[in-house]
Amino acid sequence: ETGVTQSPTHLIKTRGQQVTLRCSSQSGHNTVSWYQQALGQGPQFIFQYYREEENGRGNFPPRFSGLQFPNYSSELNVNALELDDSALYLCASSFTGADTQYFGPGTRLTVL
Amino acid sequence: TQLLEQSPQFLSIQEGENLTVYCNSSSVFSSLQWYRQEPGEGPVLLVTVVTGGEVKKLKRLTFQFGDARKDSSLHITAAQPGDTGLYLCAGRRGAGGTSYGKLTFGQGTILTVHP
Repeated sequence: ETGVTQSPTHLIKTRGQQVTLRCSSQSGHNTVSWYQQALGQGPQFIFQYYREEENGRGNFPPRFSGLQFPNYSSELNVNALELDDSALYLCASSFTGADTQYFGPGTRLTVL
Repeated sequence: TQLLEQSPQFLSIQEGENLTVYCNSSSVFSSLQWYRQEPGEGPVLLVTVVTGGEVKKLKRLTFQFGDARKDSSLHITAAQPGDTGLYLCAGRRGAGGTSYGKLTFGQGTILTVHP
């Protein structure tokens, strides 16, 4: 059984650019959640995808968008990058009804 | 606004000492989870507490959920250098099968245990 994987590991972008981060869920998991973790802070919930539809969103603007694919892998897209978007982006997968979600190692995004 | 306040933010202790980390909120949570995160990795679930007043023990770690389900604590007995890491509490609000994936995290407690 493979765990949650994320790519790329690190990414450097400049302000105003767009970025796509990828997440491959753990086998059999149909729900994926994305979190933003700023340095020295706890993760903040961005949104969740279930059955390829957005299923809840945190306090993040529309320039944060996502996709979930039939194989349950997922993408996080961020448009018009701002300096404050610099953070570790974590995805977590779970199976509906289970109390355990499994986090990937994250993608470290730096916006210059 | 941080819905879950963790204290202390930093904890530096010697091997063998005991410690307690607190997680407080003015909101009621359906359940509360504790995670441990190491550098370069995602958080790893340690425990889920669901019932007010619940106490769970995992070897040297004791977790407690407050009676009103607004606060929780993590107590570590005889800390070891391997316990070093970032400890996060996370609350779930609401019900439903997908609600476990919509967590509110505290800001974390960085624990360093010196040999």
